[in-house]
Amino acid sequence: NAGVMQNPRHLVRRRGQEARLRCSPMKGHSHVYWYRQLPEEGLKFMVYLQKENIIDESGMPKERFSAEFPKEGPSILRIQQVVRGDSAAYFCASSPVGSVYEQFFGPGTRLTVL
Amino acid sequence: QQQVKQSPQSLIVQKGGIPIINCAYENTAFDYFPWYQQFPGKGPALLIAIRPDVSEKKEGRFTISFNKSAKQFSLHIMDSQPGDSATYFCAAVLRGTASKLTFGTGTRLQVTL
Repeated sequence: NAGVMQNPRHLVRRRGQEARLRCSPMKGHSHVYWYRQLPEEGLKFMVYLQKENIIDESGMPKERFSAEFPKEGPSILRIQQVVRGDSAAYFCASSPVGSVYEQFFGPGTRLTVL
Repeated sequence: QQQVKQSPQSLIVQKGGIPIINCAYENTAFDYFPWYQQFPGKGPALLIAIRPDVSEKKEGRFTISFNKSAKQFSLHIMDSQPGDSATYFCAAVLRGTASKLTFGTGTRLQVTL
């Protein structure tokens, strides 16, 4: 059973460009969470999604950030018009139905904004 | 009130020692407390977790001690090994928030030979 997969692992963007981060949850998992980790800091919750639904986006910045988890395909975290402050590691986690407390994390996408 | 405070920020112990990492919280609505281990360049991995109705939980060399009245919990690593060198995060989940994790700021552990 493959773990949570994220791609790309590293992403470099110039200010003003768009960043798209992908997350494929573990097989059988229908809950996806996105977290952001700034250098030397803990992880901060961004958004919680189930298939085709955003359940909790209380940690998402109000502008430029969006997330989706379509019926088919991976979950996408999209950052429009990136700024240097968006440089961070973005982690996706998934959990199975009936055991939402156990979250399994992917390897992360390290975004660098030049 | 939704913060989880973690200490120390960094810790160095010799092989075989017992590092202890502490966390404290204010919100009594937290009802699940996991610990994660993170190696450089990797995602966090769930180590062990506890609920507030239990005072201690052991899994292998890892033990969580939980003090509900003091709103504190700690991770002990028995017989620590150089391979345990990593960053450790405590976390908490608010009841009814569908497992949104609130993380502590992390403890960088180094186990020397």
